[in-house]
Amino acid sequence: NAGVMQNPRHLVRRRGQEARLRCSPMKGHSHVYWYRQLPEEGLKFMVYLQKENIIDESGMPKERFSAEFPKEGPSILRIQQVVRGDSAAYFCASSLFHGQGSGQPQHFGDGTRLSIL
Amino acid sequence: AQTVTQSQPEMSVQEAETVTLSCTYDTSESDYYLFWYKQPPSRQMILVIRQEAYKQQNATENRFSVNFQKAAKSFSLKISDSQLGDAAMYFCAYRSGNNAGNMLTFGGGTRLMVKP
Repeated sequence: NAGVMQNPRHLVRRRGQEARLRCSPMKGHSHVYWYRQLPEEGLKFMVYLQKENIIDESGMPKERFSAEFPKEGPSILRIQQVVRGDSAAYFCASSLFHGQGSGQPQHFGDGTRLSIL
Repeated sequence: AQTVTQSQPEMSVQEAETVTLSCTYDTSESDYYLFWYKQPPSRQMILVIRQEAYKQQNATENRFSVNFQKAAKSFSLKISDSQLGDAAMYFCAYRSGNNAGNMLTFGGGTRLMVKP
């Protein structure tokens, strides 16, 4: 299966710990997006990355959150010193190409459900 | 900033019947893309259908079709011959057609229930 792979599927952390969420895009995709979904809400954009570059992080909180997409390996969304409000489902999506006029759809992973105790 | 509104928190349809889910959006752009995603209880986000704003013809994918009204900024999803497997949350999403707007902007979702 060459779909977007996210792990872990479920992650439980205590307040103050760090959470690392991983995303491997579809084969051949070099554009990765992270979204957060609170219960009973739609997905909210957090950050858009290409290999080794953050292109748009306008949706990501300024503190405690960071993201990377290294040359080798998966994209990582890192949340430091987690708080109860970070409990949510975090989705990663990837697309083949993004250029002006391109309507390449984003393909989503199954998400990581983060629970903070 | 673009906004997407789904005014129906829940909808219900009888199996084999037709249902229409509403979506409106607000944008000052002329070039953009619209999508409908389905999220079943498994939480996967599944692309159902997409529409390019420059195309006047409404997109169709098997039992799924859209009614795209650009002037009214409306993008409704019609599901024909509803099946039990169609029960899910449905999200409407907007994406800018220029390089500056890469993200998807989602509506709040509509929960579709299908009655046997």
